[in-house]
Amino acid sequence: KNQVEQSPQSLIILEGKNCTLQCNYTVSPFSNLRWYKQDTGRGPVSLTIMTFSENTKSNGRYTATLDADTKQSSLHITASQLSDSASYICVVRPFGANNLFFGTGTRLTVIP
Amino acid sequence: ETGVTQSPTHLIKTRGQQVTLRCSSQSGHNTVSWYQQALGQGPQFIFQYYREEENGRGNFPPRFSGLQFPNYSSELNVNALELDDSALYLCASSLEGILSEQYFGPGTRLTVT
Repeated sequence: KNQVEQSPQSLIILEGKNCTLQCNYTVSPFSNLRWYKQDTGRGPVSLTIMTFSENTKSNGRYTATLDADTKQSSLHITASQLSDSASYICVVRPFGANNLFFGTGTRLTVIP
Repeated sequence: ETGVTQSPTHLIKTRGQQVTLRCSSQSGHNTVSWYQQALGQGPQFIFQYYREEENGRGNFPPRFSGLQFPNYSSELNVNALELDDSALYLCASSLEGILSEQYFGPGTRLTVT
């Protein structure tokens, strides 16, 4: 069964601090992995996309890593801002398929 | 803003009714995917349309159907609504291709009572 699991389920951090979100997946074979940011009641917005051959991808204060051997990915956020408060969703696309498998997300709250 | 629009924003229906949700894709995108997102869950893939043909389907019953028009806009139709159909329905447009970015609309919040 193809699954994408994320941890922690929720996280509260102080403004300015760093944090790391985890994603484990069993989707196989695997084409690419994406991280999305989703504000409450809004559609997801793409942060990074990595193929199976990439180990890291950065987008400003967001850095995603990928270990295709252990089927793990992480999203590191540096110098958090209040506007980073959102759900962060890990999404995996199977090889040769058009659908995407979404994790349930990590709800991040950044407090002053 | 992604350039993907959905209508309506919110909708309330009663069990057994039928509903049509609409999506306008980003200019130049020929592929539209629909997702159902229950509260507190990640989106679940419903189906995808490419150049007016269904191009993949998730684990949803036949009462979930769709259309894509020549201008690549799309509709999601749900018949015989059930309480569990209450969710945020997202559409995403993209170009064909495995690395093609999917751009999501703001979603339609459907409540079935």
